[in-house]
Amino acid sequence: NAGVTQTPKFRVLKTGQSMTLLCAQDMNHEYMYWYRQDPGMGLRLIHYSVGEGTTAKGEVPDGYNVSRLKKQNFLLGLESAAPSQTSVYFCASSYARVSPLHFGNGTRLTVT
Amino acid sequence: AQKVTQAQTEISVVEKEDVTLDCVYETRDTTYYLFWYKQPPSGELVFLIRRNSFDEQNEISGRYSWNFQKSTSSFNFTITASQVVDSAVYFCALSALNRDDKIIFGKGTRLHILP
Repeated sequence: NAGVTQTPKFRVLKTGQSMTLLCAQDMNHEYMYWYRQDPGMGLRLIHYSVGEGTTAKGEVPDGYNVSRLKKQNFLLGLESAAPSQTSVYFCASSYARVSPLHFGNGTRLTVT
Repeated sequence: AQKVTQAQTEISVVEKEDVTLDCVYETRDTTYYLFWYKQPPSGELVFLIRRNSFDEQNEISGRYSWNFQKSTSSFNFTITASQVVDSAVYFCALSALNRDDKIIFGKGTRLHILP
């Protein structure tokens, strides 16, 4: 059982570069989320999706875009990376809104 | 507005001591769910427990126990006879059924169990 898979695991970007983080889940979950984790800040929600073709903004959406073209995939894009986006990014999925979250192993992104 | 407060940023205890991690929440909804997650040094996030607002019965799972008190809006987590493997960051989270689809996390408590 793969669960939630995030790629890549690590990435270093230069300011202004773009990239896409991929999240894939094989549990047929409707809900998918992107969080960022920064020291002392806990987990902050960037964007989320309640089903294929839907997306919505979380607490800290600026500078990020997302797409959910297929139910199993949730992509997080950075169009023009900034040092403030240096963080660990976690993808999560759940069966329903109040179901426990299943997390991926995280992506450590450094923007120089 | 919904909010989760974990006032203890970092706690250190000696192995075999009991330790309680505090979680205080705010919501205007009557139906909501509370969660605890564990993040060990390896970095993954692991679900520990979910509680709904209509069930105030305390929960015990081995050395772990949870005390849910609506009167004080708290959902505290106690580890009995702590072990080094309990060293982790622990997050409390809240999801309200009648609100939007966001799950709100506290900032976490880093727990160090000293051998």
